[in-house]
Amino acid sequence: GAVVSQHPSWVICKSGTSVKIECRSLDFQATTMFWYRQFPKQSLMLMATSNEGSKATYEQGVEKDKFLINHASLTLSTLTVTSAHPEDSSFYICSARVATDTQYFGPGTRLTVL
Amino acid sequence: DAKTTQPNSMESNEEEPVHLPCNHSTISGTDYIHWYRQLPSQGPEYVIHGLTSNVNNRMASLAIAEDRKSSTLILHRATLRDAAVYYCINTGTASKLTFGTGTRLQVTL
Repeated sequence: GAVVSQHPSWVICKSGTSVKIECRSLDFQATTMFWYRQFPKQSLMLMATSNEGSKATYEQGVEKDKFLINHASLTLSTLTVTSAHPEDSSFYICSARVATDTQYFGPGTRLTVL
Repeated sequence: DAKTTQPNSMESNEEEPVHLPCNHSTISGTDYIHWYRQLPSQGPEYVIHGLTSNVNNRMASLAIAEDRKSSTLILHRATLRDAAVYYCINTGTASKLTFGTGTRLQVTL
């Protein structure tokens, strides 16, 4: 089946630093990937749509300069949280889209900002 | 994306079938019905999807009402590993998934 990996699975960083999260489709190519954020006891919220070779499309209220997305190849998308603050602590999840709008999700990255 | 309505929680005994309902009365004619589930501290997992006809796969069955305003995810024999939050989502032309609160399924021995 379609497998999506994320790295790292968890990260702790100091306030003001930047953190990069990688999302890879392991056995298929994905022209479109998505980034979600999930706070404790809440549902997933879509942050942005990442298209290979073009700029990401951000959802309303998501700061594009703070959450930098790069989709440089058909198997890799990265999310960089710049100048992280404690309120950015969350569970970040990526997904890759295949046919009929089905998405396969990565295992998630838990970010803790001290 | 069309809004879906699911019960907040359901309980099932192990080895018994589970029917998880979903209402999507505003679904458009081209929207697919997707089901995903999320185990604690994991990313969502694709379960099944369909458009008009009922669908079966190794994980579950999806029964879609004739008017497509509702659907039911069927787990034929629930196990403890099926305890998760189940999300019913209709996808629109933008192909984005809008996650609601889902149904938290508890499975007991």
